[in-house]
Amino acid sequence: ELKVEQNPLFLSMQEGKNYTIYCNYSTTSDRLYWYRQDPGKSLESLFVLLSNGAVKQEGRLMASLDTKARLSTLHITAAVHDLSATYFCAVDIYGGSQGNLIFGKGTKLSVKP
Amino acid sequence: NAGVTQTPKFQVLKTGQSMTLQCAQDMNHEYMSWYRQDPGMGLRLIHYSVGAGITDQGEVPNGYNVSRSTTEDFPLRLLSAAPSQTSVYFCASSYSARSGQLFFGEGSRLTVL
Repeated sequence: ELKVEQNPLFLSMQEGKNYTIYCNYSTTSDRLYWYRQDPGKSLESLFVLLSNGAVKQEGRLMASLDTKARLSTLHITAAVHDLSATYFCAVDIYGGSQGNLIFGKGTKLSVKP
Repeated sequence: NAGVTQTPKFQVLKTGQSMTLQCAQDMNHEYMSWYRQDPGMGLRLIHYSVGAGITDQGEVPNGYNVSRSTTEDFPLRLLSAAPSQTSVYFCASSYSARSGQLFFGEGSRLTVL
């Protein structure tokens, strides 16, 4: 059974601090996606990681993918309140042939002053 | 830009009633899918379509039907609503199955009494 596990599920940070969210998955895949969801809103695509060693950065967020370890990380640098949201990783288990993504349960991030 | 449009945004049903959640996209995307989101469960794939006339089941298809008569539209039908189908439903699309990067609608919040 495919599992996509995120940890932590809840994260309370102070502004200015750094932290990393982890996404482990249980089957072979070289495609991984990160999404952000604000409360009561839809999901917004953050990063698309399409190969082993891929690293993408946008502002204070940086995502990486290690397909051999079946691990992706989302690193937050010098957190600000605007980053408060729920972050989901999603794995494409069919290598892009069907487009189906399996989502983790999400990490709810709260950044406090 | 309309993107992915879902209607209705809110709906209350009684057990046993049927209804259709509408989804339309104006981006000429081949791939469309329906997810449900429940607290603490992430998003789970209900049904998906890789093109007009082609549909298939996801993780949790029971109690739902779909059809894809045009590229633009992908309605989700609840045949006989049950309280377990109380959820937030998201429609998503991408350029192709190989693309993987999903564009989400705003969501439809369904309550079954």
